[in-house]
Amino acid sequence: DIQMTQSPSSLSASVGDRVTITCRASQGIRNDLGWYQQKPGKAPKRLIYAASSLESGVPSRFSGSGSGTEFTLTISSLQPEDFATYYCLQHNNYPPLTFGGGTKVEIK
Amino acid sequence: QVQLVQSGAEVKKPGASVKVSCKASGYTFTSYDINWVRQATGQGLEWMGWMNPKSGKTGHAQKFQGRVTMTRDTSTAYMELSSLRSEDTAVYYCARVNGAVDYWGQGTLVTVSS
Repeated sequence: DIQMTQSPSSLSASVGDRVTITCRASQGIRNDLGWYQQKPGKAPKRLIYAASSLESGVPSRFSGSGSGTEFTLTISSLQPEDFATYYCLQHNNYPPLTFGGGTKVEIK
Repeated sequence: QVQLVQSGAEVKKPGASVKVSCKASGYTFTSYDINWVRQATGQGLEWMGWMNPKSGKTGHAQKFQGRVTMTRDTSTAYMELSSLRSEDTAVYYCARVNGAVDYWGQGTLVTVSS
């Protein structure tokens, strides 16, 4: 099965900071990757699909890039509502689905 | 609009079984797989398995072999987990797969405690 390695596992940042989160796949997955945001007590919410396409209604400060084995989620200017945990999810060889380990973005 | 509405929280004793439901609306239920994902408190997301609502075909992660059963009726998917142990305490989510996961249920907390 494909493994997804996500880094960092946590980070502290200030409002207005640029934040970058990375996922690495154990083998090539084309662009079959999404990024999800999860807030405490809530279900995950998809932000990015197909590695770089912004979900409707998601602020443009979120962007995704990458293909193959290296993927990045960038928040260009962190806002108070962005403090959450972020997960990547690959579906290239579905089933199964494989999640990254998550990145908790905390207030500095 | 697409909605996946799950059943309420459950408390079970070790060794018991739990059955969680996921009622779909706003789309043709048989057109997309339903997957199940769980999350222990403070932990990451763990994929459990999938079901094709049209054919009823299912598959699951190896670690749940022999313990998980996924079924469906007209517009509701079900996930039953048996031989519960304390480590199964988690929030269980259903999720629609349309290429990738696009919609999630609200989650069902299952607590396993003696």
